[in-house]
Amino acid sequence: GQSLEQPSEVTAVEGAIVQINCTYQTSGFYGLSWYQQHDGGAPTFLSYNGLDGLEETGRFSSFLSRSDSYGYLLLQELQMKDSASYFCVAPTGANNLFFGTGTRLTVIP
Amino acid sequence: GAVVSQHPSWVICKSGTSVKIECRSLDFQATTMFWYRQFPKQSLMLMATSNEGSKATYEQGVEKDKFLINHASLTLSTLTVTSAHPEDSSFYICSADTGTTADTQYFGPGTRLTVL
Repeated sequence: GQSLEQPSEVTAVEGAIVQINCTYQTSGFYGLSWYQQHDGGAPTFLSYNGLDGLEETGRFSSFLSRSDSYGYLLLQELQMKDSASYFCVAPTGANNLFFGTGTRLTVIP
Repeated sequence: GAVVSQHPSWVICKSGTSVKIECRSLDFQATTMFWYRQFPKQSLMLMATSNEGSKATYEQGVEKDKFLINHASLTLSTLTVTSAHPEDSSFYICSADTGTTADTQYFGPGTRLTVL
């Protein structure tokens, strides 16, 4: 089976940095993606890590350690609009995606 | 960019009726589309994978006779919830694979179904 575990909720202050962790257990591994979803909206793609290391895209960075079955999403210079749910997602190799449990991020002034 | 639309955005129906949800890729052809269900404050759960011109592949535990999926063209997939019951009330989201970037899907805005 597969599982991707995340903290359920995180709160951080505007302008700060926050890290959202993801630990996974998968039958096959094809990389780790991160998606953002605002309430009532569509998930949108943020980043993908196929190999170990850090991927940076603007204020967002994502890290992967395959030996530790662990990844994280790092959000810098937090803005109020970053309040949303964040999901780590594992491609299954069958051309579909398995979503993690999700982390609700609340940014406070 | 790749845009996926869904219609309707929300629907309320009586128990026992059927509801059809459409998913369209607006500016690209999608060989494969996916249907997800999301209950409040929970994650997305894949229901089925839909390939144009062939039968959908359902995930374990999803009743294929209750959730009918048709992928008649490269830009349209439909999900019909038959004989809907209150426990089917959920947020249904479709996505499409552009086939260009590995494992990146573009999601529709979702359909909120409420069954009374």
